Amino acid sequence: EAGVAQSPRYKIIEKRQSVAFWCNPISGHATLYWYQQILGQGPKLLIQFQNNGVVDDSQLPKDRFSAERLKGVDSTLKIQPAKLEDSAVYLCASRGPGLAGDTRTYEQYFGPGTRLTVT
Amino acid sequence: QKEVEQNSGPLSVPEGAIASLNCTYSDRGSQSFFWYRQYSGKSPELIMSIYSNGDKEDGRFTAQLNKASQYVSLLIRDSQPSDSATYLCAVRDLYSSASKIIFGSGTRLSIRP
Repeated sequence: EAGVAQSPRYKIIEKRQSVAFWCNPISGHATLYWYQQILGQGPKLLIQFQNNGVVDDSQLPKDRFSAERLKGVDSTLKIQPAKLEDSAVYLCASRGPGLAGDTRTYEQYFGPGTRLTVT
Repeated sequence: QKEVEQNSGPLSVPEGAIASLNCTYSDRGSQSFFWYRQYSGKSPELIMSIYSNGDKEDGRFTAQLNKASQYVSLLIRDSQPSDSATYLCAVRDLYSSASKIIFGSGTRLSIRP
C-alpha cells in the first residue's frame, strides 16, 4: 500500500513570496490533515479535512494560509505572503478507517513532509 | 488548553538496556494514545497505539496506559543504536467534533554503544 505522498520535499523562498505544497493521501483515506512542525516541537495541526469539507481550521493563520481539497483526494496548502516564522516542516497526514465499530482505533500516517525555509 | 507533556531529554541509555519514555496528558476525556518515532530530518512514524488501561506489547516495544493517573509510557527493551530518535506522544479526545490528535514536543532518545 502506497503511503502519503507530498511535494516538493524542500523549498526555499524569500519573505513575502508565495508557496504551495501538495499532498496525496493513502488511497481510501477520507480524512486528511496538514501540520506545521517547527524544529524541536511536536506537529501542530493547521487544518483537517473530511472528504472535501473542512472539519477544523482553528489554528490556521487565515490571513496568509489557505488550503483546499477540491475532489476529496489531493490537497494543497498555500502560504501568501510568507514570513520568516513560517520556516518549518509541513506535514500531511491521512487517517485510516480503524477497526469496525471502534473509533478509538483511527490511526494517522504521515507523509515525508516539505521543509520550507523562508529567508 | 489540552496539553501533552513529555520530558524533552536527551535521554541517554546504554545499548541493550531498557529505555523508558513517559508522557502525561491533561484531558481526562482522552481515549486514544499513540507513540510516534521521528528520526532526524524524517517524518513521524507510528510505532504503537493503545486504547485501554494496562500494557500492550509489540516486539521490543511495550506501551503502558494508566487513565486514572493520566499517564502513558513506552518501554523499549534491548535498546539498539537504531532506536536513537525523538519519540512523540500523541493523544486524541474522541469527544471533540474534529477528533483531533494533540502531540507532545517529544523526547530525544540516544542509545550509546
